[in-house]
Amino acid sequence: KAGVTQTPRYLIKTRGQQVTLSCSPISGHRSVSWYQQTPGQGLQFLFEYFSETQRNKGNFPGRFSGRQFSNSRSEMNVSTLELGDSALYLCASGDNNDYGYTFGSGTRLTVV
Amino acid sequence: GESVGLHLPTLSVQEGDNSIINCAYSNSASDYFIWYKQESGKGPQFIIDIRSNMDKRQGQRVTVLLNKTVKHLSLQIAATQPGDSAVYFCAEKNNAGNMLTFGGGTRLMVKP
Repeated sequence: KAGVTQTPRYLIKTRGQQVTLSCSPISGHRSVSWYQQTPGQGLQFLFEYFSETQRNKGNFPGRFSGRQFSNSRSEMNVSTLELGDSALYLCASGDNNDYGYTFGSGTRLTVV
Repeated sequence: GESVGLHLPTLSVQEGDNSIINCAYSNSASDYFIWYKQESGKGPQFIIDIRSNMDKRQGQRVTVLLNKTVKHLSLQIAATQPGDSAVYFCAEKNNAGNMLTFGGGTRLMVKP
């Protein structure tokens, strides 16, 4: 079984730009969650999608958004990038019971 | 590789010794707990989980203990090997939503 695939692996953007990150979950998994990891704040929950619907949302500003497609692939978007958005963005894939979460390797976003 | 935490508590053990990593969780309503291992440049990797109706669960070389009275979780690694060197995170989930709340992490260093 292929794991969770996140693209791109690395990204450099300028302040004010917007960015879209992609996550393909494990085949058959319909839950996709996104997390932000920084040295200062650790791992923080962004949002979770299940069957194309956002089920849960963390405490992030509206500049952070996401969506899920019918094939369960998910994208997250960050608009008007700030320096503080520099982080490792991780995607986690879950099965219908949502008790096992498998993470991808993440996208390292650097905002300059 | 990426830094997952600049000021993480560090546990240094000799190869072959047992390791114990501790975690205090925050929400008494949490009903599911997971330990993850994160190596440099990779996403968190599932190690072992435990539900709140249990107080101990064993895997291969790993044991998780849960003390709900004091909201404490521990991960025991038997016969620690150099390949166990990584950052270890505990995570909790409550039935109010499908999101994980992560602890700050502990860096395990194994001396050969």
